[in-house]
This record gives sequence, C-alpha cells and structure tokens, in this order.
Amino acid sequence: EAGVVQSPRYKIIEKKQPVAFWCNPISGHNTLYWYLQNLGQGPELLIRYENEEAVDDSQLPKDRFSAERLKGVDSTLKIQPAELGDSAVYLCASSLGGGRANVLTFGAGSRLTVL
Amino acid sequence: QKEVEQDPGPLSVPEGAIVSLNCTYSNSAFQYFMWYRQYSRKGPELLMYTYSSGNKEDGRFTAQVDKSSKYISLFIRDSQPSDSATYLCAMNSGNTPLVFGKGTRLSVIA
Repeated sequence: EAGVVQSPRYKIIEKKQPVAFWCNPISGHNTLYWYLQNLGQGPELLIRYENEEAVDDSQLPKDRFSAERLKGVDSTLKIQPAELGDSAVYLCASSLGGGRANVLTFGAGSRLTVL
Repeated sequence: QKEVEQDPGPLSVPEGAIVSLNCTYSNSAFQYFMWYRQYSRKGPELLMYTYSSGNKEDGRFTAQVDKSSKYISLFIRDSQPSDSATYLCAMNSGNTPLVFGKGTRLSVIA
C-alpha cells in the first residue's frame, strides 16, 4: 500500500513568489493534516481536515496561507506571497478516525527554500 | 515554559549501548503519548503509542509514562547504527492536536 505521497519534494523560490504543495493521503484515511517543521524543531500543526471540512486551522497564517481538500481526498497547501521565514519542511499526514485518530502516517515532506 | 520539553542532543552512543530518551510536559490533561522516529529527509514514523501511565515494550524498544511526574521515556536496548535518527515525543489529551517535542538527535556509532 502506498503511503502518504507529497510533491514536490523540494522547491526553491524567490521571496514574494507563490508556491503550492500537494498531498495524497492513505486511501480510506478521513483525517488529513498539514504540519510545518522548522530546522531542529518538532512538527507544528497548520490545519486539520475531517473529510472536506477544515476543523482546526487556528495556526494557519491566513493572510498568506490557504489550503483546500476537494472531495475529501487530496489536499493542496498554498503560500502567496512567500516570505524568507517560510523556509521549512511542510509535512502532510493522515489518519483514520475514531480510536485510531492519534495514529498519524506522515509523508516525506516538501522542503521549501525561499531566497 | 513550552508544553513539551525535549533535550535536542545530539546524543552519541556506541553500538550495543542502552539509550534513554526523555520528555517532560506541563499539561496534566495529556493522556496519549507517542514516540516518532524521523530519519534525515524523511517524515516522522510512529514507533510507540501508549495510553495513560505504564510501560509498553516492542522488541528492543520500551516506552514508559509517569503521569505523576509528567515524564515520559523511550529506552532502546542493544542499539544499532540503523537506530541513528531523530526521536520525537508527541502527546495530546484525545481529540486535540498532537504537541511534539523538538526531537533528540541520536547517533549510534559502529
């Protein structure tokens, strides 16, 4: 079974440019997460989806970040415009609901460098 | 004070050593405790999952939770070079976002 798939794996852009990341979760996983991981830090939640609904987006900087999960499967995370401080790894994760809600499977991440 | 504190290391041990990794936390509502392993340029992968206090063993790995002290540990016996990675503790109180530690970087030297 394929795991959580993310693309692109690496992206280098100039500041003020837009960037988008894509995530395909594990089949059947209703819950999808986007995390931000800075160098030497643990992941921090940006947004959590239950099917198509964003149920926790309190940590998403909504002035420049947006996310969507159409049809409750794939998801995209967009940054526009990117700033130098956005350089980080963006991790997507998914989980089953119910008693397995805490068991997250992560993708390999999308590493963003903003110049 | 951060909700979860974890010494970032780095920690370097010889092959075969017993490794002890630890986290402390401040939120007494935390009930679910996890350890993730993250290899370089990979996403975290779940290693151990425990609920409330007590011990859990899986092969060479043992997770311990002491809720009275707000302290969790991960022990690795007979450590191998393939155990070289960053170990992240994570915890929550149920249907709340996981709070991760900073991670401890471990190197096992052959």
